[in-house]
Amino acid sequence: DTGVSQNPRHKITKRGQNVTFRCDPISEHNRLYWYRQTLGQGPEFLTYFQNEAQLEKSRLLSDRFSAERPKGSFSTLEIQRTEQGDSAMYLCASSFGLGLNEQFFGPGTRLTVL
Amino acid sequence: GQNIDQPTEMTATEGAIVQINCTYQTSGFNGLFWYQQHAGEAPTFLSYNVLDGLEEKGRFSSFLSRSKGYSYLLLKELQMKDSASYLCAALEVPSWGGSTLGRLYFGRGTQLTVWP
Repeated sequence: DTGVSQNPRHKITKRGQNVTFRCDPISEHNRLYWYRQTLGQGPEFLTYFQNEAQLEKSRLLSDRFSAERPKGSFSTLEIQRTEQGDSAMYLCASSFGLGLNEQFFGPGTRLTVL
Repeated sequence: GQNIDQPTEMTATEGAIVQINCTYQTSGFNGLFWYQQHAGEAPTFLSYNVLDGLEEKGRFSSFLSRSKGYSYLLLKELQMKDSASYLCAALEVPSWGGSTLGRLYFGRGTQLTVWP
């Protein structure tokens, strides 16, 4: 499978716990994006990387959220001290960065905070 | 700010044609994407317009008018499998970046139901 992969697919946690999600982009893609999607809404941009550099962060990304892409390949998104409002689908996408720059999405990680 | 507006729901019958409209207001606009998303699955790319006009790809076509801030997705010969949410997304390019950088601003999606 050469698509974007995300792990875990589902995560249930208690309020106040920390969680970390992983995204493995398509191997030749140098851009990686994180989005959050709640029921009945479109994906909301959180942040994106070009190689290992984090280029932009949304104001939605509070101090409790941090994302890394240490070697320009896979990325992690960590949420500290989770709140019930963090419950959502977290989507990762990658793109080649040239031409059309179409973003390919992974299957997402569904987070439920109890 | 950014504002992407599209209808919440539409219904149609198999074999029909449906047009899903999208209006947008965004700074640094550099293109309009359409994605399809089945329930519980990731969005998949359908089409992209950066210049005014119609782009045709099989049963799907997309139109853009930059001056009007308007796009539509046209689906022909509807099939049951076309029942899904259709997401309109505007590409915003940062003032400091190149034309291929930037973030996508998505609308809420239009839930299309195709009846037999």
